[in-house]
Amino acid sequence: SQTIHQWPATLVQPVGSPLSLECTVEGTSNPNLYWYRQAAGRGLQLLFYSVGIGQISSEVPQNLSASRPQDRQFILSSKKLLLSDSGFYLCAWSDFNYGYTFGSGTRLTVV
Amino acid sequence: DAKTTQPPSMDCAEGRAANLPCNHSTISGNEYVYWYRQIHSQGPQYIIHGLKNNETNEMASLIITEDRKSSTLILPHATLRDTAVYYCIVRPTQNYGGSQGNLIFGKGTKLSVKP
Repeated sequence: SQTIHQWPATLVQPVGSPLSLECTVEGTSNPNLYWYRQAAGRGLQLLFYSVGIGQISSEVPQNLSASRPQDRQFILSSKKLLLSDSGFYLCAWSDFNYGYTFGSGTRLTVV
Repeated sequence: DAKTTQPPSMDCAEGRAANLPCNHSTISGNEYVYWYRQIHSQGPQYIIHGLKNNETNEMASLIITEDRKSSTLILPHATLRDTAVYYCIVRPTQNYGGSQGNLIFGKGTKLSVKP
């Protein structure tokens, strides 16, 4: 069966520090991968999606970037965090026909 | 932007059926109706999806109107653990590539199940 792993679960980082969140998927090949963010009291916003290795599409301009170095690995990064980067970050994969499966999320607090 | 309209909140008594409406008047012929829910501090969870026929699974039933412009998610016997934000989303299921099939969340309906 397919599983999705996302870590860490919580993270507190100072303003200006770098960020790296990792997401891996098991039990499937060539999945579509996604990064979402949910700011406090807000809805889920799609940040990036990827249909294959090295293929990244950005949905909104921001201080973040994404990379897909391997088929089942998706990384969200920032060189310098801002206070506004705080939020709940969710990784998801999709086989398109059945829907999305989400990870357990990373709660990032920038201080 | 989300292509659906949902009430911002609803209450339901425990043990009773919860009926969550969704309007999607601009739905295209190749778009399905998907329902997800998000329990506080967790990732969204898939519930059910359908094209034009009513669908039922172990979690819920989905009733889609004949003109496909609206639908209702039914939780037959709501429990306290069903308290969550419920999202109605329309999207195609075929891999069109690009952004057409991406899951775009609206504000959803916050369902509160009360004892």
